Formats: sequence, structure tokens, C-alpha cells
Amino acid sequence: NAGVMQNPRHLVRRRGQEARLRCSPVKGHSHVYWYRQLPEEGLKFMVYLQKENIIDESGMPKERFSAEFPKEGPSILRIQQVVRGDSAAYFCASSPRDNEQFFGPGTRLTVL
Amino acid sequence: DQQVKQNSPSLSVQEGRISILNCDYTNSMFDYFLWYKKYPAEGPTFLISISSIKDKNEDGRFTVFLNKSAKHLSLHIVPSQPGDSAVYFCAAGTDSWGKLQFGAGTQVVVTP
Repeated sequence: NAGVMQNPRHLVRRRGQEARLRCSPVKGHSHVYWYRQLPEEGLKFMVYLQKENIIDESGMPKERFSAEFPKEGPSILRIQQVVRGDSAAYFCASSPRDNEQFFGPGTRLTVL
Repeated sequence: DQQVKQNSPSLSVQEGRISILNCDYTNSMFDYFLWYKKYPAEGPTFLISISSIKDKNEDGRFTVFLNKSAKHLSLHIVPSQPGDSAVYFCAAGTDSWGKLQFGAGTQVVVTP
């Protein structure tokens, strides 16, 4: 059984470019969550999605960030016009219901 | 608004002894609590959870205690092993929320 897959594992972008982070949940899991971890901090919730629906985006910055979980394919976290402050580790988690979230290995975004 | 707090950033314990990690929370709406373990450059790995209707849950070397009146939970690892050296995150959620609130983590170092 494959766990949560995230790619790329490492992503380097220059300021102003776009970053696309992908997450394939555990097979059969319909709930996907994105978290961000800044250096020396815990994980901060960003967005919670079910297939084709955003359930809770209360942790998403109001601008430049968007997320989707289409009927087919992985969930995508998209950051437009990246800035240095976006440098962080981004973790995706999935669950079959609302608890017991299983995390992927993360994508480490570095903005130059 | 830090609803889950881990006040000890680090803990050093001798191999074979007990590790006790503490976590406090402020939101009485939390229904369940989880502990995750995280190695560098990896995603958090689920360790153990407890529902708010219980005060103790045990799984092998790991035991979680919940004191609802004090809004406090702890993770006991006994006996501690070198492979337990990692960052441990306390997290909390509600059945109606989906998202998890994480503490800042405690770095555990198990020494020979």
C-alpha cells in the first residue's frame, strides 16, 4: 500500500515565479489537507479539501495561494508570484475520515 | 492564536529510561488528540491518539494520558531507545473541523 505521495520533494523558485506542489493521497482516502511548516515552528493548517470541494481554507493566505483536489488526479497547491517568505516545508496529509491524518514526506520550497 | 502548546523545545533522556512529553491546549472543543513523530526531511508519522472520552491509551512502549480538566496531555515512552530520537508533535482536532492544530514540537534526544 502506497502512502501519501508528494512531488517534487524539493523545489527551488526565484521570486515572482509560480510553485506547484502535488499530493497523491492514500488510495481510498477522500480527505486531503495541506500544512506548512516554517523553520523552528510546528505545522500550520492551510486548507482542507474533499474531491472537487474546498471544505476549509481558513489557513490559506488571501492572495497568491490556491488549492484544488480534482475528481481525477492529485491535489495541487499552487503559489503564484512566490516571495522569500514562502520558503517552507509543505506537507500534505490524507485521511479516510476527519481524523487520523497520514502525512506525506513534504515538499521543501526554497525561494531565491 | 496558539491553541496547542508544547513548552519544552527539547528533552534529553538516557536509553532505557522513560521519556515524558507534555502538551497543553486551550480549546475545550477538541475531541481527539494525536502524537506524531518526525525525523529530519521526512513527514510526520502518526504514533498514537486518544479520544476526549478516554483518559489513557496505550500502544506498546507509548502511552498517552489525557487530563481534560487541566487541558493537558502527555506522552510516555518507556523504555526509550536511540531510534526514538526525533521531534514529537502534539496535535488536536474536532470531529466537525477536519483540520489539526499542532504544537511547536519537542526535540527528543536519547543518549546511550
